Amino acid sequence: DIVMTQSPDSLAVSLGERATINCKSSQSVLFNSNNQNYLGWYQQRPGQPPKLLIYWASTRESGVPDRFSGSGSGTDFTLTISSLQAEDVAVYYCQQYFSSPCSFGQGTKLEIK
Amino acid sequence: EVQLVESGGGLVHPGGSLRLSCAASGFTFSSYAMSWVRQAPGKGLEWVSGISGSGGSTYYAASVKGRFTVSRDNSKNTLYLQMNSLRAEDTAVYYCAKRKPDSTTVTHWYFDLWGRGTLVTVSS
Repeated sequence: DIVMTQSPDSLAVSLGERATINCKSSQSVLFNSNNQNYLGWYQQRPGQPPKLLIYWASTRESGVPDRFSGSGSGTDFTLTISSLQAEDVAVYYCQQYFSSPCSFGQGTKLEIK
Repeated sequence: EVQLVESGGGLVHPGGSLRLSCAASGFTFSSYAMSWVRQAPGKGLEWVSGISGSGGSTYYAASVKGRFTVSRDNSKNTLYLQMNSLRAEDTAVYYCAKRKPDSTTVTHWYFDLWGRGTLVTVSS
């Protein structure tokens, strides 16, 4: 099974500043036949279910603000929030869907400094 | 409104059984593969089980295979999870989730709609 490891475990960023969360997979999630990275990012606000932000490593889900962006390929990925807003306080998870069972990172808790 | 609403959670003794339901609305339920994903208290997310749109194919995590059974009734727009031989480590919020549609095979599970979850507590 593919193991997903996020860093850091928690992060405090000032409002308006950039937040960066990293995700590493134990094996490549790049599918050569379509050149897609099978990697998604989710946001889970307190008391709420997860919400899909990014899929195919860098494609923003409909309705997601453009301050959220995803990058990376192969085994190393990054979620960037360009200008942190108060409503971005949440736990963020990366997920690989390259192979079954799909698997999630342990989560990164993002707070306001 | 497009939504998923889970029900059926509760307190059960170790070794007991429980059946979860997930009522879907606002979309053509039978067209989409669905999954159950759980989250132990204060912990991360774990995929549990999935089922194709027709119900003809089912998939399980190793941790629940042989104990849990996923099914669906497309005439009722409802997804089910029958959980038998429950253990303390099955304690979690169980979310119903809709697989995001794309051209890849259904076993590439990622989710664009989640319910609010139902809590299952296994304890004596």
